[in-house]
Amino acid sequence: EAGVAQSPRYKIIEKRQSVAFWCNPISGHATLYWYQQILGQGPKLLIQFQNNGVVDDSQLPKDRFSAERLKGVDSTLKIQPAKLEDSAVYLCASSLSARRAFFGQGTRLTVV
Amino acid sequence: SQQGEEDPQALSIQEGENATMNCSYKTSINNLQWYRQNSGRGLVHLILIRSNEREKHSGRLRVTLDTSKKSSSLLITASRAADTASYFCATDGSSNTGKLIFGQGTTLQVKP
Repeated sequence: EAGVAQSPRYKIIEKRQSVAFWCNPISGHATLYWYQQILGQGPKLLIQFQNNGVVDDSQLPKDRFSAERLKGVDSTLKIQPAKLEDSAVYLCASSLSARRAFFGQGTRLTVV
Repeated sequence: SQQGEEDPQALSIQEGENATMNCSYKTSINNLQWYRQNSGRGLVHLILIRSNEREKHSGRLRVTLDTSKKSSSLLITASRAADTASYFCATDGSSNTGKLIFGQGTTLQVKP
């Protein structure tokens, strides 16, 4: 079974630039999550989709972060403009049920 | 804010020894999960324990849950160098959406 695919693996940008991350979940998984993991901390949920609808985006900084999941499959997470404190690993996960989540390798973002 | 607090933050043991990690959480839960994260990689699900269970085993892993104390422990027996990783507990915060709230993690180093 193919896992959760994310790209790019690494990204370095200057502050105030924009960046986008892409995620392809496991086939058939209706639920998709984006987590932010700052170095030395546990992941923090940014947004959760059920099919193409948003379930929870309470911790998404909506002034600069946006996410979409067109057609209920792939998803993109965008940051515009980026700040230094956005440096983190962005993890995408998907699940079939509200129990076990499958994570991608993550995108490591460095904002300089 | 993070739901769980993990203890210790870092643990270093010799191969063959047992490793115990503890997790405390704040709100009621439906279940608690443990994940492993190798350096620079995504998270891998290890085990899930429901709120009405007190202990669960999976291979060399043993998880306990005390809902009265809002705490859980993960025991890895006969550790191997390949067990070197960060370990995170995650709760669902009593939601049924699959949203996970992670602790800060315990970094385990197993020396050969």
